[in-house]
Amino acid sequence: AQSVTQLDSQVPVFEEAPVELRCNYSSSVSVYLFWYVQYPNQGLQLLLKYLSGSTLVKGINGFEAEFNKSQTSFHLRKPSVHISDTAEYFCAVDSGGYQKVTFGTGTKLQVIP
Amino acid sequence: DVKVTQSSRYLVKRTGEKVFLECVQDMDHENMFWYRQDPGLGLRLIYFSYDVKMKEKGDIPEGYSVSREKKERFSLILESASTNQTSMYLCASSLAGTIRNYGYTFGSGTRLTVV
Repeated sequence: AQSVTQLDSQVPVFEEAPVELRCNYSSSVSVYLFWYVQYPNQGLQLLLKYLSGSTLVKGINGFEAEFNKSQTSFHLRKPSVHISDTAEYFCAVDSGGYQKVTFGTGTKLQVIP
Repeated sequence: DVKVTQSSRYLVKRTGEKVFLECVQDMDHENMFWYRQDPGLGLRLIYFSYDVKMKEKGDIPEGYSVSREKKERFSLILESASTNQTSMYLCASSLAGTIRNYGYTFGSGTRLTVV
């Protein structure tokens, strides 16, 4: 069975500071990993994905994530956050099969002015 | 842009009522999904469908059913609403075989309160 663990439910950070949102996955087969973002009162949208190849993937809005197979992690980072990055971020894993993903519990990023 | 529209943003229903949550997508996607979102639990898959009249149970199907009579519409049905079904419900869709490249397209959600 596949699963993802997001270790932090809330992360407060000052504007223009760097941030890392943590995600660990569990799967017995090859994985495909995703980060989604949910802005207030909206549905989720895809931020970035890891399918294969380079372990550092870049997404929209200056976010990037690094796939680490030995540590089974896929942490999301941004070197300098903006107020508009305030949102909830979900890590997700797809281990194949029926084209569906399993989501983590989410991390609320609060950017403080 | 692909649009996934959920018919109601907020809904309040009484215990025991039959509740219909509607979702419509306008880009001819084969796959459609219903998730519920609860604080601290993230998104949990209720049901999904790969084609018209086809449905598969997700991780938490108990107390729910679905209907997909047309490709663009996927309905979630609460046969007899209960207070533990108070939640945010998210509908999503995707083109067949593209979830890994393009992900889901989500609707804005329906916040259901059962009193």
